[in-house]
Amino acid sequence: GAVVSQHPSRVICKSGTSVKIECRSLDFQATTMFWYRQFPKQSLMLMATSNEGSKATYEQGVEKDKFLINHASLTLSTLTVTSAHPEDSSFYICSARVGRTGPHQPQHFGDGTRLSIL
Amino acid sequence: ILNVEQSPQSLHVQEGDSTNFTCSFPSSNFYALHWYRWETAKSPEALFVMTLNGDEKKKGRISATLNTKEGYSYLYIKGSQPEDSATYLCARGGNNRKLIWGLGTSLAVNP
Repeated sequence: GAVVSQHPSRVICKSGTSVKIECRSLDFQATTMFWYRQFPKQSLMLMATSNEGSKATYEQGVEKDKFLINHASLTLSTLTVTSAHPEDSSFYICSARVGRTGPHQPQHFGDGTRLSIL
Repeated sequence: ILNVEQSPQSLHVQEGDSTNFTCSFPSSNFYALHWYRWETAKSPEALFVMTLNGDEKKKGRISATLNTKEGYSYLYIKGSQPEDSATYLCARGGNNRKLIWGLGTSLAVNP
């Protein structure tokens, strides 16, 4: 149980392209989803918390106009990297918590998306 | 300690060895401590979430302890197997409920 599907798993595209990444909870409803970014040899860094039916909460230093998050249903959140540039190349991974559980409950992760901007 | 720190960074053991790693974190405003196992090409898998000082949790051959007063958690693997090879991540939740992640301990178990 508690399976999260994320795709695409890898994207290679030209600078200036917008890229959409989907994160779906397959067998549970997720009121809250999280988007992380990981640069090489660094830890997972929270970019934003996505709440179903409301605006995402972005972490300091993350541009909300650059990284658009939509959480329109209890099973789907999307992250769109708008007008991507080489410095946006990174590993992006989403996670979700079951229902309305709190931070004392585990997060369930997708497989991640490796984004490479040429 | 301002960040979550894990040690060692990497570890190579022989099949059958028991091993343990450390996660150190800020003890103030502590809420929860998470452990995850992340195998290559797979998604991170939750192992434990601990909230109380003195908590001990066990899942098969893997167990974890928590000391919130001094800010550390140990993860133990008894009788390591090649399938235990993975990166083990810990993450600390504070009063703001967000998780701060360590860099992980990369474990390689040689058959």
